[in-house]
Amino acid sequence: DIQMTQSPSSLSASVGDRVTITCQASQDISNYLNWYQQKPGKAPKLLIYDASNLETGVPSRFSGSGSGTDFTFTISSLQPEDIATYYCQQYDNLPPAITFGQGTRLEIK
Amino acid sequence: QMQLVQSGAEVKKTGSSVKVSCKASGYTFTYRYLHWVRQAPGQALEWMGWITPFNGNTNYAQKFQDRVTITRDRSMSTAYMELSSLRSEDTAMYYCATTTPGVAFDIWGQGTMVTVSS
Repeated sequence: DIQMTQSPSSLSASVGDRVTITCQASQDISNYLNWYQQKPGKAPKLLIYDASNLETGVPSRFSGSGSGTDFTFTISSLQPEDIATYYCQQYDNLPPAITFGQGTRLEIK
Repeated sequence: QMQLVQSGAEVKKTGSSVKVSCKASGYTFTYRYLHWVRQAPGQALEWMGWITPFNGNTNYAQKFQDRVTITRDRSMSTAYMELSSLRSEDTAMYYCATTTPGVAFDIWGQGTMVTVSS
């Protein structure tokens, strides 16, 4: 099974800061990598799909990049409403399986 | 709009089973895979398996292979997840979700809390 290593596990930043989260796959997953935001008590929300595509309605300050084994999620200018936990997620088809990263808890400094 | 609505919270005894439902609306039920994902308190998301509503084919995560059964009722546009031999570690929020062709979870249910105690 493919393992996903997400870092950091927690992060404290100031409003307006650029924030970066990384996700590393244990083997090549092409661009089958998605990013989610989860606020307390809520279901996750899709932000980025296929590594770099912004989901409809998601603010442009969110972005994703990478392919193969190394991926990056960026918030260009942190806003108070971005406080949440962020997860990466990969899909493997041999055998079919889905794995989430361990999450990054983002707090305001 | 596309929506998934799940059944209510459950409290179960150790060793028993639980069955959670997920009703789809706003899209053609048979066109999209329907998945189950769980999240223990304070823990990460964990994928459990999926069903192809069109033909009922399923695929389960290895961890749950022996204990989980996902079914569907096409006439009701509803999917079900049954987890057996419950233990305290199964206490979690259980979500259904549907995916894009690229396997991104774009629509989620509201979650069903399952509490397992002795």
